[in-house]
Amino acid sequence: NAGVTQTPKFQVLKTGQSMTLQCAQDMNHEYMSWYRQDPGMGLRLIHYSVGAGITDQGEVPNGYNVSRSTTEDFPLRLLSAAPSQTSVYFCASSYSKGSYEQYFGPGTRLTVT
Amino acid sequence: QKEVEQDPGPLSVPEGAIVSLNCTYSNSAFQYFMWYRQYSRKGPELLMYTYSSGNKEDGRFTAQVDKSSKYISLFIRDSQPSDSATYLCAICLRIKAAGNKLTFGGGTRVLVKP
Repeated sequence: NAGVTQTPKFQVLKTGQSMTLQCAQDMNHEYMSWYRQDPGMGLRLIHYSVGAGITDQGEVPNGYNVSRSTTEDFPLRLLSAAPSQTSVYFCASSYSKGSYEQYFGPGTRLTVT
Repeated sequence: QKEVEQDPGPLSVPEGAIVSLNCTYSNSAFQYFMWYRQYSRKGPELLMYTYSSGNKEDGRFTAQVDKSSKYISLFIRDSQPSDSATYLCAICLRIKAAGNKLTFGGGTRVLVKP
């Protein structure tokens, strides 16, 4: 199993550009989520999905969109990048919404200039 | 006030020493308590979890929860250079529709020197 994979590993965007961060898991997990990690702030939940076709907002959803058309994939879209979105983004998955253990991907380091 | 507070460190210890890490939290409704380990430039991985007050041991690691004080701890015995990482506490609230809502501390960076 590859686990949770994320692409790209690094990305530099200009303010106003849009892009999609890709996330895939091969563990047949129902629950998937996106976090951002900033120094001293811990991991903050952006969006999550409890199954294909179902998504909801987390703690910091503004400026981001998600969709979940398949169990495996959960892309995160930045609509119009801003410097405040400079961060490390982690995708995570767990067996179900009731599972306490989340498996994290390796992260995408995003810089917005 | 943040829901979960954690000293950012860094905490530097000699090899073989005991590492002591702590978090405090404010919401008494939190039900599950976890510690994640994150190596540099990697994603976090679950180290330990517990849901009750008291101690839980797993090899060199002991997780301790004091719900009355809203205080959780992680102890690493006989620390090794390979334990050098950032340790994140995570506290979980179970919400019926949304599932488990995890709130993370900011992480404590630990450096174990040979």
